[in-house]
Amino acid sequence: ETGVTQSPTHLIKTRGQQVTLRCSSQSGHNTVSWYQQALGQGPQFIFQYYREEENGRGNFPPRFSGLQFPNYSSELNVNALELDDSALYLCASSKYSGGATDTQYFGPGTRLTVL
Amino acid sequence: DAKTTQPPSMDCAEGRAANLPCNHSTISGNEYVYWYRQIHSQGPQYIIHGLKNNETNEMASLIITEDRKSSTLILPHATLRDTAVYYCIVRGYNNNDMRFGAGTRLTVKP
Repeated sequence: ETGVTQSPTHLIKTRGQQVTLRCSSQSGHNTVSWYQQALGQGPQFIFQYYREEENGRGNFPPRFSGLQFPNYSSELNVNALELDDSALYLCASSKYSGGATDTQYFGPGTRLTVL
Repeated sequence: DAKTTQPPSMDCAEGRAANLPCNHSTISGNEYVYWYRQIHSQGPQYIIHGLKNNETNEMASLIITEDRKSSTLILPHATLRDTAVYYCIVRGYNNNDMRFGAGTRLTVKP
């Protein structure tokens, strides 16, 4: 167990709807990263939040957005859901040191199904 | 970041050492090698990471060749619970993301 929690565990939405996923970071961690994992593939980086601001973004459209709160928890919001957004959404927390020595610890994920 | 190459699948007998190879021939001097594993439908689990020297922790050992072009993750006494997809990731010093490939599906058999 990493101490990273995510909610909800599973979610079903229809195309065009909006969804909010939540993540609580491990104690002592101040950075949250979000990943999307499609079935049969490795996780793909969406973005990272540090000091309540986006600190790097992968190749995802603007309808994927996020927030980080003063307690370091985070939300991932996806607007105008598409069928291809069906995936396991993972968050990972870390203690920021500005580079590759920030070991990221993952939560259990939220399984999103878009119908 | 350097690209990694891993075999798509491997088998290992329970109780034996599992040696998972990773090729990263284009790695540069300030890039780290990370290993994670993912048991079905769970979040990736951090195993170990290293820069140049071999590393060992309670889960595994990481052996990095002297030229750093390849590495091997060693699970000394594999159990059935070690069945998972293992990801080798090369991460640049200034990169804040983990770039996962397809990984190696390790099956530990009784």
